[in-house]
Amino acid sequence: EAGVAQSPRYKIIEKRQSVAFWCNPISGHATLYWYQQILGQGPKLLIQFQNNGVVDDSQLPKDRFSAERLKGVDSTLKIQPAKLEDSAVYLCASSPFTTLSGANVLTFGAGSRLTVL
Amino acid sequence: AQSVTQPDIHITVSEGASLELRCNYSYGATPYLFWYVQSPGQGLQLLLKYFSGDTLVQGIKGFEAEFKRSQSSFNLRKPSVHWSDAAEYFCAVGGRGANNLFFGTGTRLTVIP
Repeated sequence: EAGVAQSPRYKIIEKRQSVAFWCNPISGHATLYWYQQILGQGPKLLIQFQNNGVVDDSQLPKDRFSAERLKGVDSTLKIQPAKLEDSAVYLCASSPFTTLSGANVLTFGAGSRLTVL
Repeated sequence: AQSVTQPDIHITVSEGASLELRCNYSYGATPYLFWYVQSPGQGLQLLLKYFSGDTLVQGIKGFEAEFKRSQSSFNLRKPSVHWSDAAEYFCAVGGRGANNLFFGTGTRLTVIP
Protein backbone atom coordinates (compact mmCIF):
# COMPACT_ATOMS: atom_id res chain seq x y z
CA GLU A 1 0.00 0.00 0.00
CA ALA A 2 1.12 3.56 -0.55
CA GLY A 3 2.55 5.30 2.49
CA VAL A 4 1.83 8.67 4.03
CA ALA A 5 2.69 11.39 1.52
CA GLN A 6 3.92 14.82 2.60
CA SER A 7 4.96 17.94 0.73
CA PRO A 8 7.04 19.95 0.44
CA ARG A 9 10.01 18.03 1.83
CA TYR A 10 11.97 21.21 2.50
CA LYS A 11 11.00 24.83 2.96
CA ILE A 12 13.04 27.89 3.87
CA ILE A 13 11.24 31.10 4.78
CA GLU A 14 11.93 34.29 6.64
CA LYS A 15 10.32 35.03 9.98
CA ARG A 16 6.85 36.50 9.78
CA GLN A 17 6.19 34.79 6.46
CA SER A 18 3.62 32.04 6.09
CA VAL A 19 3.99 28.41 5.08
CA ALA A 20 1.69 25.46 4.45
CA PHE A 21 2.34 21.75 4.59
CA TRP A 22 0.22 19.06 3.00
CA CYS A 23 -0.35 15.47 4.05
CA ASN A 24 -2.16 12.61 2.32
CA PRO A 25 -2.62 9.67 4.71
CA ILE A 26 -2.85 6.01 3.87
CA SER A 27 -6.15 5.29 2.15
CA GLY A 28 -8.86 4.40 4.62
CA HIS A 29 -7.02 5.61 7.71
CA ALA A 30 -9.47 7.36 9.97
CA THR A 31 -7.02 9.15 12.24
CA LEU A 32 -4.42 11.70 11.18
CA TYR A 33 -1.75 13.35 13.31
CA TRP A 34 0.61 16.28 12.91
CA TYR A 35 3.77 16.16 15.01
CA GLN A 36 6.51 18.74 15.41
CA GLN A 37 10.06 17.44 15.80
CA ILE A 38 12.61 20.04 16.83
CA LEU A 39 16.24 19.11 16.29
CA GLY A 40 17.49 16.88 19.09
CA GLN A 41 14.02 16.18 20.46
CA GLY A 42 11.35 13.57 20.02
CA PRO A 43 8.19 14.29 18.05
CA LYS A 44 5.47 16.22 19.89
CA LEU A 45 1.83 16.14 18.91
CA LEU A 46 0.37 19.33 17.47
CA ILE A 47 -3.06 18.11 16.42
CA GLN A 48 -5.00 14.88 15.97
CA PHE A 49 -7.97 14.39 13.64
CA GLN A 50 -10.45 11.57 13.55
CA ASN A 51 -12.07 11.64 10.13
CA ASN A 52 -12.61 15.38 9.67
CA GLY A 53 -13.07 16.26 13.34
CA VAL A 54 -10.42 17.44 15.80
CA VAL A 55 -9.69 15.02 18.66
CA ASP A 56 -6.84 16.88 20.33
CA ASP A 57 -5.34 20.27 19.53
CA SER A 58 -4.29 21.22 23.04
CA GLN A 59 -0.62 21.64 22.05
CA LEU A 60 -1.25 23.60 18.86
CA PRO A 61 -0.18 27.27 19.13
CA LYS A 62 -3.45 28.55 17.79
CA ASP A 63 -2.32 32.14 17.47
CA ARG A 64 -0.11 31.14 14.56
CA PHE A 65 -0.80 27.51 13.64
CA SER A 66 -3.92 26.16 11.97
CA ALA A 67 -4.82 22.81 10.48
CA GLU A 68 -7.71 21.34 8.62
CA ARG A 69 -8.72 17.98 7.28
CA LEU A 70 -11.49 18.57 4.81
CA LYS A 71 -13.55 15.55 3.75
CA GLY A 72 -11.66 13.40 6.25
CA VAL A 73 -8.82 12.59 3.86
CA ASP A 74 -5.82 14.84 3.28
CA SER A 75 -4.79 17.62 5.62
CA THR A 76 -3.04 20.98 5.57
CA LEU A 77 -1.00 22.52 8.38
CA LYS A 78 -0.39 26.26 8.15
CA ILE A 79 1.92 28.57 10.08
CA GLN A 80 1.32 32.32 9.92
CA PRO A 81 3.37 34.25 10.87
CA ALA A 82 6.37 31.98 11.34
CA LYS A 83 8.87 32.48 14.15
CA LEU A 84 12.47 31.35 14.40
CA GLU A 85 11.49 28.68 16.94
CA ASP A 86 9.17 27.06 14.41
CA SER A 87 12.20 25.62 12.63
CA ALA A 88 11.56 21.90 12.84
CA VAL A 89 10.46 18.83 10.95
CA TYR A 90 6.71 18.51 10.67
CA LEU A 91 5.67 14.90 10.59
CA CYS A 92 2.31 13.62 9.49
CA ALA A 93 1.12 10.21 10.63
CA SER A 94 -2.03 8.19 10.13
CA SER A 95 -3.71 5.26 11.80
CA PRO A 96 -6.61 3.06 10.77
CA PHE A 97 -8.14 3.09 14.22
CA THR A 98 -10.69 5.33 15.82
CA THR A 99 -11.10 6.22 19.46
CA LEU A 100 -13.32 3.27 20.23
CA SER A 101 -11.15 0.63 18.69
CA GLY A 102 -8.08 -1.16 19.85
CA ALA A 103 -4.37 -0.69 19.90
CA ASN A 104 -3.05 2.08 17.79
CA VAL A 105 -0.17 1.88 15.32
CA LEU A 106 0.92 5.07 13.59
CA THR A 107 2.52 5.16 10.15
CA PHE A 108 4.63 8.25 9.55
CA GLY A 109 5.43 10.20 6.44
CA ALA A 110 8.96 11.38 5.59
CA GLY A 111 8.30 14.81 7.06
CA SER A 112 8.57 18.42 5.94
CA ARG A 113 11.66 20.24 7.14
CA LEU A 114 11.09 23.95 7.84
CA THR A 115 13.87 26.46 8.31
CA VAL A 116 12.88 29.94 9.47
CA LEU A 117 15.55 32.62 8.97
CA ALA B 1 1.59 12.23 33.60
CA GLN B 2 2.81 10.40 30.55
CA SER B 3 6.50 10.50 29.74
CA VAL B 4 9.29 8.51 28.18
CA THR B 5 12.92 8.67 29.21
CA GLN B 6 15.75 7.54 27.02
CA PRO B 7 18.80 8.13 29.21
CA ASP B 8 21.40 7.62 26.49
CA ILE B 9 21.62 10.50 24.03
CA HIS B 10 24.32 8.88 21.91
CA ILE B 11 25.72 5.35 21.78
CA THR B 12 28.65 4.09 19.72
CA VAL B 13 29.13 0.38 19.08
CA SER B 14 31.36 -1.67 16.85
CA GLU B 15 29.84 -3.55 13.97
CA GLY B 16 28.99 -7.06 15.10
CA ALA B 17 28.72 -6.10 18.75
CA SER B 18 25.53 -6.41 20.75
CA LEU B 19 23.28 -3.43 21.44
CA GLU B 20 20.88 -2.41 24.16
CA LEU B 21 19.00 0.89 24.11
CA ARG B 22 17.24 1.86 27.31
CA CYS B 23 13.72 3.18 27.65
CA ASN B 24 11.73 3.96 30.80
CA TYR B 25 8.17 5.14 30.72
CA SER B 26 5.50 6.65 32.93
CA TYR B 27 1.88 6.08 31.95
CA GLY B 28 -1.31 6.17 33.96
CA ALA B 29 -3.03 3.24 32.31
CA THR B 30 -2.05 0.01 30.57
CA PRO B 31 0.79 1.09 28.30
CA TYR B 32 1.24 0.24 24.69
CA LEU B 33 4.94 0.54 23.86
CA PHE B 34 6.74 1.15 20.60
CA TRP B 35 10.21 1.53 19.17
CA TYR B 36 10.65 3.59 16.02
CA VAL B 37 13.80 4.19 13.99
CA GLN B 38 14.57 7.34 12.03
CA SER B 39 17.31 7.49 9.42
CA PRO B 40 18.66 10.93 8.42
CA GLY B 41 16.10 12.89 6.43
CA GLN B 42 13.48 10.21 6.81
CA GLY B 43 10.30 9.71 8.77
CA LEU B 44 9.87 7.24 11.59
CA GLN B 45 9.67 3.53 10.82
CA LEU B 46 8.08 1.13 13.30
CA LEU B 47 10.55 -1.48 14.59
CA LEU B 48 8.29 -3.29 17.03
CA LYS B 49 5.40 -2.87 19.44
CA TYR B 50 4.08 -4.33 22.65
CA PHE B 51 0.37 -4.41 23.43
CA SER B 52 -0.08 -7.47 25.65
CA GLY B 53 0.96 -11.09 26.10
CA ASP B 54 4.52 -12.30 25.79
CA THR B 55 6.77 -9.61 27.24
CA LEU B 56 9.57 -10.33 24.75
CA VAL B 57 8.60 -9.01 21.35
CA GLN B 58 10.36 -9.49 18.07
CA GLY B 59 10.56 -6.79 15.44
CA ILE B 60 12.01 -6.12 12.06
CA LYS B 61 15.72 -6.04 11.20
CA GLY B 62 16.57 -8.51 13.98
CA PHE B 63 15.54 -6.24 16.86
CA GLU B 64 13.73 -7.36 19.99
CA ALA B 65 12.49 -5.63 23.10
CA GLU B 66 11.47 -6.77 26.54
CA PHE B 67 8.66 -5.23 28.56
CA LYS B 68 9.33 -5.20 32.30
CA ARG B 69 6.34 -3.80 34.15
CA SER B 70 8.08 -3.80 37.54
CA GLN B 71 10.84 -1.57 36.16
CA SER B 72 8.62 0.46 33.79
CA SER B 73 11.10 -0.36 31.07
CA PHE B 74 11.02 -1.42 27.45
CA ASN B 75 14.63 -1.84 26.36
CA LEU B 76 15.56 -2.53 22.76
CA ARG B 77 18.20 -5.13 21.92
CA LYS B 78 20.03 -6.57 18.96
CA PRO B 79 22.62 -9.33 19.26
CA SER B 80 24.81 -8.19 16.37
CA VAL B 81 24.73 -4.66 15.00
CA HIS B 82 25.16 -3.90 11.30
CA TRP B 83 26.53 -0.65 9.88
CA SER B 84 23.09 0.03 8.37
CA ASP B 85 21.59 0.20 11.88
CA ALA B 86 23.16 3.62 12.41
CA ALA B 87 20.17 5.92 12.99
CA GLU B 88 18.11 7.63 15.68
CA TYR B 89 15.91 5.39 17.81
CA PHE B 90 12.78 6.58 19.57
CA CYS B 91 10.78 4.84 22.26
CA ALA B 92 7.12 5.80 22.56
CA VAL B 93 4.19 5.03 24.84
CA GLY B 94 0.47 5.24 24.18
CA GLY B 95 -2.80 3.78 25.33
CA ARG B 96 -5.89 2.05 24.07
CA GLY B 97 -7.64 3.67 21.16
CA ALA B 98 -6.43 6.37 18.84
CA ASN B 99 -4.61 8.22 21.54
CA ASN B 100 -1.50 10.27 21.14
CA LEU B 101 1.92 8.66 21.35
CA PHE B 102 4.44 10.21 23.73
CA PHE B 103 7.99 9.99 22.47
CA GLY B 104 11.33 10.01 24.20
CA THR B 105 14.10 12.34 23.09
CA GLY B 106 15.80 9.59 21.12
CA THR B 107 19.12 7.76 21.15
CA ARG B 108 21.51 8.27 18.28
CA LEU B 109 23.37 5.11 17.34
CA THR B 110 26.75 5.27 15.63
CA VAL B 111 28.27 2.04 14.30
CA ILE B 112 32.02 1.89 13.79
CA PRO B 113 33.86 -0.69 11.67
